[in-house]
Amino acid sequence: AQKVTQAQTEISVVEKEDVTLDCVYETRDTTYYLFWYKQPPSGELVFLIRRNSFDEQNEISGRYSWNFQKSTSSFNFTITASQVVDSAVYFCALIPGTAGNKLTFGGGTRVLVKP
Amino acid sequence: EPEVTQTPSHQVTQMGQEVILRCVPISNHLYFYWYRQILGQKVEFLVSFYNNEISEKSEIFDDQFSVERPDGSNFTLKIRSTKLEDSAMYFCASRWTGDSGELFFGEGSRLTVL
Repeated sequence: AQKVTQAQTEISVVEKEDVTLDCVYETRDTTYYLFWYKQPPSGELVFLIRRNSFDEQNEISGRYSWNFQKSTSSFNFTITASQVVDSAVYFCALIPGTAGNKLTFGGGTRVLVKP
Repeated sequence: EPEVTQTPSHQVTQMGQEVILRCVPISNHLYFYWYRQILGQKVEFLVSFYNNEISEKSEIFDDQFSVERPDGSNFTLKIRSTKLEDSAMYFCASRWTGDSGELFFGEGSRLTVL
């Protein structure tokens, strides 16, 4: 069974501050995929990134960056120079590599960016 | 870009009524899923569907729920007799067979049971 833990339920920052969202996962599979989704107030799930278990390179996309550390089973997400539009709930998720398996979500972290 | 579409976007129903939520997955995808998110809570797995049958279901997916793919394009979730606690956002997702891992989600159907 898989488990994803997002220990931070809510983070509040002032615009332009950096914010890091923690994600710790558990799985017995050697092949798996990790995801981050953003859920803005409108409710849809917006895909941000997918990372497979064999690729531990960190990734940067604009103001977003991800730090995957297999040794600690963590896949943390940093928003640099946060903006009000970053206010949302962010979900970390995991799916085993076997086709057909379900995606397991963490509990989500609500980010509130104040102007 | 292909996408998963869901209808209706919002449905209000009376307790005890039957509800059908519809989804059109991406056309070459073979695995289909329903997820549920009660307001303010996490996104929970309900059921997965492959090769015209349920491949896995959660404890939430009891006898009141059913899924089917009636015509090769739509993928529906039926709730037979809705309860207040069924009020939630329901997300449909689909996935291509293979090792990419990615699920493509629809925009969700918000169900309000009064």
